[in-house]
Amino acid sequence: GNSVTQMEGPVTLSEEAFLTINCTYTATGYPSLFWYVQYPGEGLQLLLKATKADDKGSNKGFEATYRKETTSFHLEKGSVQVSDSAVYFCALSSSNDYKLSFGAGTTVTVRA
Amino acid sequence: DAGVTQSPTHLIKTRGQQVTLRCSPKSGHDTVSWYQQALGQGPQFIFQYYEEEERQRGNFPDRFSGHQFPNYSSELNVNALLLGDSALYLCASSLVGASGSIYNEQFFGPGTRLTVL
Repeated sequence: GNSVTQMEGPVTLSEEAFLTINCTYTATGYPSLFWYVQYPGEGLQLLLKATKADDKGSNKGFEATYRKETTSFHLEKGSVQVSDSAVYFCALSSSNDYKLSFGAGTTVTVRA
Repeated sequence: DAGVTQSPTHLIKTRGQQVTLRCSPKSGHDTVSWYQQALGQGPQFIFQYYEEEERQRGNFPDRFSGHQFPNYSSELNVNALLLGDSALYLCASSLVGASGSIYNEQFFGPGTRLTVL
């Protein structure tokens, strides 16, 4: 079945530091890949997505590239802000599946 | 444009009771999925409803049931509550489209926090 493995947290960074959260996946077929963000006390918001190999998703300074050869979709941001403090979830959805399969989430805290 | 809404926001029940959670999808969406998010974990898929029928189900017992109404809103029912059912329950809506193809982007509501004592 489908599964997502995320880098374990928590991750604590200083403002303007570089952020990387690793995500690898196992899936049948050619899945679509997503990063969702959950701010304290809120539901999940889609941060970015990629639907085929070598696609790069980007939003709000975050980027992730769909790497089929390494089955990875690592999230990166060059300069984080305090407002980026949140829980980040990697997820996938297969073409023959209706559900999203999520990783366990990575808690990121950015200090001023 | 209203996003996905859920009610209630918080709920406290005791073991053995039954609970009903409600969800209204984003305008224009016709598909509703429910997820359970235990504390410190990622959301787990419960089931998805489309055209008022359960289209896919995750690994949850029959105590979890649902319904979708003609206006696309949905309910999640949980019977015989257990302590382990305490979690944030998330509703997500999406659009299948006239072609029947799946637009995989799912929009999430803020969730209902269920506490079972």
